[in-house]
Amino acid sequence: QQQVKQSPQSLIVQKGGISIINCAYENTAFDYFPWYQQFPGKGPALLIAIRPDVSEKKEGRFTISFNKSAKQFSLHIMDSQPGDSATYFCAAEAGTALIFGKGTTLSVSS
Amino acid sequence: GAGVSQSPSNKVTEKGKDVELRCDPISGHTALYWYRQSLGQGLEFLIYFQGNSAPDKSGLPSDRFSAERTGGSVSTLTIQRTQQEDSAVYLCASSLSAKNTEAFFGQGTRLTVV
Repeated sequence: QQQVKQSPQSLIVQKGGISIINCAYENTAFDYFPWYQQFPGKGPALLIAIRPDVSEKKEGRFTISFNKSAKQFSLHIMDSQPGDSATYFCAAEAGTALIFGKGTTLSVSS
Repeated sequence: GAGVSQSPSNKVTEKGKDVELRCDPISGHTALYWYRQSLGQGLEFLIYFQGNSAPDKSGLPSDRFSAERTGGSVSTLTIQRTQQEDSAVYLCASSLSAKNTEAFFGQGTRLTVV
């Protein structure tokens, strides 16, 4: 119930391409879905977040798509850049602690 | 300070010893979280403090792990009788309130048990 399942585990994308990371959840009490970005040796930092009353949220090159009926959400990175190479974590919250997926390591090749 | 501060940044300890990890949250943040990140793994929830409420300890992996938060500010995570499987990065985060708000993470404490 409390799990957030994330895929793929790793992703290699060419510069300028689209990176897509998917997450799924079971607990319908989750009502906040953030994505965090982590660079080596650093703590995760919030990238973008969505609530279930909207189906899409866009901030610059980053878009979250949310499918409430399927209990799935995804992160799309448009025009991927080498500087986007990092580990990305989806998460979900039901008013207490954030529950994180296992992460996706993204490598953007130049 | 401007962000979440964790100390020490690195800790090497012998198996069986106790260790204390410290977290200084952002001033005014009422919620504080501890997570554990093992190599190549996600962030495993350990414990969560919110204001004066009883902490959510549901993620602590064993009774060797405990945490305190004094005065609603600084938190200490204590691991007793450390084992090699405790080796990981321990991350602390704080947020302005409990619900639907951004969690700000520290840089973590890398614990190595030898």
